[in-house]
Amino acid sequence: AQSVSQHNHHVILSEAASLELGCNYSYGGTVNLFWYVQYPGQHLQLLLKYFSGDPLVKGIKGFEAEFIKSKFSFNLRKPSVQWSDTAEYFCAVIANNNAGNMLTFGGGTRLMVKP
Amino acid sequence: ETGVTQTPRHLVMGMTNKKSLKCEQHLGHNAMYWYKQSAKKPLELMFVYNFKEQTENNSVPSRFSPECPNSSHLFLHLHTLQPEDSALYLCASSQDGRKLFFGSGTQLSVL
Repeated sequence: AQSVSQHNHHVILSEAASLELGCNYSYGGTVNLFWYVQYPGQHLQLLLKYFSGDPLVKGIKGFEAEFIKSKFSFNLRKPSVQWSDTAEYFCAVIANNNAGNMLTFGGGTRLMVKP
Repeated sequence: ETGVTQTPRHLVMGMTNKKSLKCEQHLGHNAMYWYKQSAKKPLELMFVYNFKEQTENNSVPSRFSPECPNSSHLFLHLHTLQPEDSALYLCASSQDGRKLFFGSGTQLSVL
């Protein structure tokens, strides 16, 4: 069965530090990839998505992610974090297979940015 | 295993059928959610329940009818759906609106 792993469960950074959150998935076929963010007390919002084309994807609020097929990875990056980036971040994968398009979420990474 | 169980995993139904999706959470959370994931679209929030009370209905058509008999169970009753309702339906739970825990989803196909 497909799975999505986010290895960093909790990340604490100071403002202006660079961010990289890891996401690895276990599926060898065609995938669509997403990063969602959940700010405290709010619902999920889409940060960025990859379906095809340029593997370096730009999202909202200065976030980007790079799809590296050979590594089954879709890591999220931001050059300089802000206190307002404190949130829970979820990586998600849709594997397009004969059983249908199943969406699988990673366990989430809690990011805390210290002012 | 996230502690949120959804059944069935796959469902095929005709436009005149009535079916229900079931979600059960074993985490002691007080909030439950239904999300819809359509092809090549971001996740859409459908309904939110807090302590069994519906607190959010995101302009969902009445052919989708949620039911939350207790804080551990959530249903989505389906009636006279349209082919464009074919999607992945995800259940999630949280404690006080904090981190979401997702079920595996039900892949729905409406013929």
